[in-house]
Amino acid sequence: ETGVTQTPRHLVMGMTNKKSLKCEQHLGHNAMYWYKQSAKKPLELMFVYNFKEQTENNSVPSRFSPECPNSSHLFLHLHTLQPEDSALYLCASSQGLAGGGTQYFGPGTRLTVL
Amino acid sequence: QQPVQSPQAVILREGEDAVINCSSSKALYSVHWYRQKHGEAPVFLMILLKGGEQKGHDKISASFNEKKQQSSLYLTASQLSYSGTYFCGTERSGGGADGLTFGKGTHLIIQP
Repeated sequence: ETGVTQTPRHLVMGMTNKKSLKCEQHLGHNAMYWYKQSAKKPLELMFVYNFKEQTENNSVPSRFSPECPNSSHLFLHLHTLQPEDSALYLCASSQGLAGGGTQYFGPGTRLTVL
Repeated sequence: QQPVQSPQAVILREGEDAVINCSSSKALYSVHWYRQKHGEAPVFLMILLKGGEQKGHDKISASFNEKKQQSSLYLTASQLSYSGTYFCGTERSGGGADGLTFGKGTHLIIQP
């Protein structure tokens, strides 16, 4: 099983839809992250979870709702998104406070909002 | 605060060298370097911690000047496989609790 997996890899949704992105890490890490990567913009940190507790919410609109039920799984619930939310959403994990900040990324979910 | 990367883009011939810089106006705990190829996830290259250090493997190395809050990534005798976008990510505190703040990236194109 590869280190960090994300599903689905591609998602097209309307502005009124509700969908969820899933991330799973098989590295035994304690911290997980959501990043957004838009065209011609740098990677933007959205949320940080350390030991299942949210430690960072980088001023993300409430139409994005994260959930971290355990150290291996991270979800991003989406509702009433806007076309400008179309982007590549990347999940990453790291040892967190226990062992340093090196982050390993999943392949991403390419989201298109119509 | 977002680190500033330079140059924005580099075009090289195979075998040439490149230097990519990353600077911050804030004190940093660490600098992380990643390479991302089109349509793929960023791949970790190396991490440099405060205290000033240099690291390297194969023909890719990096340095971190803590006084200047600047890191440089050195690519020597570049290969076609080095093409991609290079990002530096910075941490202001250790342990990953704050996530990384990334620069806008440097596009590197290696031509045969």
